[in-house]
Amino acid sequence: QQPVQSPQAVILREGEDAVINCSSSKALYSVHWYRQKHGEAPVFLMILLKGGEQKGHEKISASFNEKKQQSSLYLTASQLSYSGTYFCGTEIFYSGAGSYQLTFGKGTKLSVIP
Amino acid sequence: KAGVTQTPRYLIKTRGQQVTLSCSPISGHRSVSWYQQTPGQGLQFLFEYFSETQRNKGNFPGRFSGRQFSNSRSEMNVSTLELGDSALYLCASSLATRTVSYEQYFGPGTRLTVT
Repeated sequence: QQPVQSPQAVILREGEDAVINCSSSKALYSVHWYRQKHGEAPVFLMILLKGGEQKGHEKISASFNEKKQQSSLYLTASQLSYSGTYFCGTEIFYSGAGSYQLTFGKGTKLSVIP
Repeated sequence: KAGVTQTPRYLIKTRGQQVTLSCSPISGHRSVSWYQQTPGQGLQFLFEYFSETQRNKGNFPGRFSGRQFSNSRSEMNVSTLELGDSALYLCASSLATRTVSYEQYFGPGTRLTVT
């Protein structure tokens, strides 16, 4: 089942902060975050495993609330290079298949302007 | 280390034809997943292969099929093409095993246009 991302789009000025949310109705094993720039392939940002840990990558960090099956991506002091579409991927373990399945949301388009 | 490669990069087909897309994963990666990307729909999961076996399948009609070879290279086939099949098809490889999850590395995609 596809996770729900919000907002669908956001415009920021350089230096501003943003939060992108991702929620699922299923119990999650992990949450992935990827960024895709126009005309390019999605690039991995970070993965959060169940346990509610928060991870960071320079000025981009994320949290995972296991009880609510929600994750949030935090972008602080945004730079022009942050522009792109951000996808969250929610991972569920299917015991019958004995494997994981990663399902992506529809994405959040982030535009950073000078 | 070479990244994920996909061939061809661009393809134009007419309705009713079939098409085969190819993906070569990063060396050592045994998991290969395929996604369909269209504007506004994000990345729609097609299927995942691990060690030549299809592990998971998304909600796509049987016209979409795939396979994986012993060297982990994968192919995706779409038969009886429809206009709605026009999309960017992305392949991603991963170190993921049966019990451990890893990040996915995406290829540049194959842009399929059906006329």
